Amino acid sequence: GENVEQHPSTLSVQEGDSAVIKCTYSDSASNYFPWYKQELGKRPQLIIDIRSNVGEKKDQRIAVTLNKTAKHFSLHITETQPEDSAVYFCAASISGYSTLTFGKGTMLLVSP
Amino acid sequence: NAGVTQTPKFQVLKTGQSMTLQCAQDMNHNSMYWYRQDPGMGLRLIYYSASEGTTDKGEVPNGYNVSRLNKREFSLRLESAAPSQTSVYFCASTAGGLTDTQYFGPGTRLTVL
Repeated sequence: GENVEQHPSTLSVQEGDSAVIKCTYSDSASNYFPWYKQELGKRPQLIIDIRSNVGEKKDQRIAVTLNKTAKHFSLHITETQPEDSAVYFCAASISGYSTLTFGKGTMLLVSP
Repeated sequence: NAGVTQTPKFQVLKTGQSMTLQCAQDMNHNSMYWYRQDPGMGLRLIYYSASEGTTDKGEVPNGYNVSRLNKREFSLRLESAAPSQTSVYFCASTAGGLTDTQYFGPGTRLTVL
């Protein structure tokens, strides 16, 4: 089955800095890669996703890049703010065929 | 529109006791899921139901059973709770396929003593 590795496990940045979280996956057939954000004590919520027919997708301060050859994808957050502090999960699956496999999460701490 | 709801929010059990976690969604979604979340382990799929009338095992099904009662409701049962089942349990649903956006419930924090 699919295996998703996520790094780093914790990331501390100053407000205004950029943050990058990286994930690698094992199944070359995977073609759907979402990112979920979970604030402390809350439920996970989708923040952005990318499918294998594109290499990059942006939504305001958030972007995701995908390198299918290397089987890795990354979440980029620019101009970080304290409210970006949360645990971020990447996931991978084969669209329409398999369930999501999640990474173990990255705790992002943004200091004012 | 409440989305995905779960009951109870908190539960403490003794080893060997049984209980059922309830999940309901009012979004007319086809697929529903049960995950457990443990520190440093991410979200691991226990069971899922791709459509009403079907259920399938996920990554960590041992010690659990599920019932897709109807399109809205998907319950998770622990027949004989063990301390290793201490966790936060999330229910989720998707509108259609397995790779649609997952909408999560608020979670149930379960402690087994």
